Amino acid sequence: DAKTTQPTSMDCAEGRAANLPCNHSTISGNEYVYWYRQIHSQGPQYIIHGLKNNETNEMASLIITEDRKSSTLILPHATLRDTAVYYCIAQTNTNAGKSTFGDGTTLTVKP
Amino acid sequence: DTEVTQTPKHLVMGMTNKKSLKCEQHMGHRAMYWYKQKAKKPPELMFVYSYEKLSINESVPSRFSPECPNSSLLNLHLHALQPEDSALYLCASSHGERIITDTQYFGPGTRLTVL
Repeated sequence: DAKTTQPTSMDCAEGRAANLPCNHSTISGNEYVYWYRQIHSQGPQYIIHGLKNNETNEMASLIITEDRKSSTLILPHATLRDTAVYYCIAQTNTNAGKSTFGDGTTLTVKP
Repeated sequence: DTEVTQTPKHLVMGMTNKKSLKCEQHMGHRAMYWYKQKAKKPPELMFVYSYEKLSINESVPSRFSPECPNSSLLNLHLHALQPEDSALYLCASSHGERIITDTQYFGPGTRLTVL
């Protein structure tokens, strides 16, 4: 699985969009980009995933560059409850694939 | 029911004790996972069960023994642990068609302290 690189921490003002970048320059064609978040002392929570196309759901949008070497998770209107560690993972779609959580980005939403 | 439950929430045990962690899901998922998470670190995969069979063992010491009695239950038996095994133990499940790459649903974890 491809290694992912994320900034250690980011701040965002409440109500503004939070844009969390992720680099996965060694991603292969069959690897999906997954995003999870972990609010303090809770289990990780699935947010969104994609392969090539941009994706949107009720929680967030995922923008994947055309060369697939990087992606951005967008929380359109961040709230204080979005303060968490956000993990970007590149996972293969074979049964031999392994999930590897990187160090993630600690997002702090401030009032 | 879209929930993964874990019991107990907290566990304190001595190095000579034997204890078990329990995980349960009723979403019909056929893949279940154990992760270990140390403070301020990301989760580390320990074991994966697919259709009640152990599919992945990430070279975990034998003092951790997983068990999957049925498709809804996953246990982690603990014996002769060391203080450095103190961590948050997370259980997750997924549909099972493609282990790992399916969306994983996590439980709240068991906070384990080994004295």
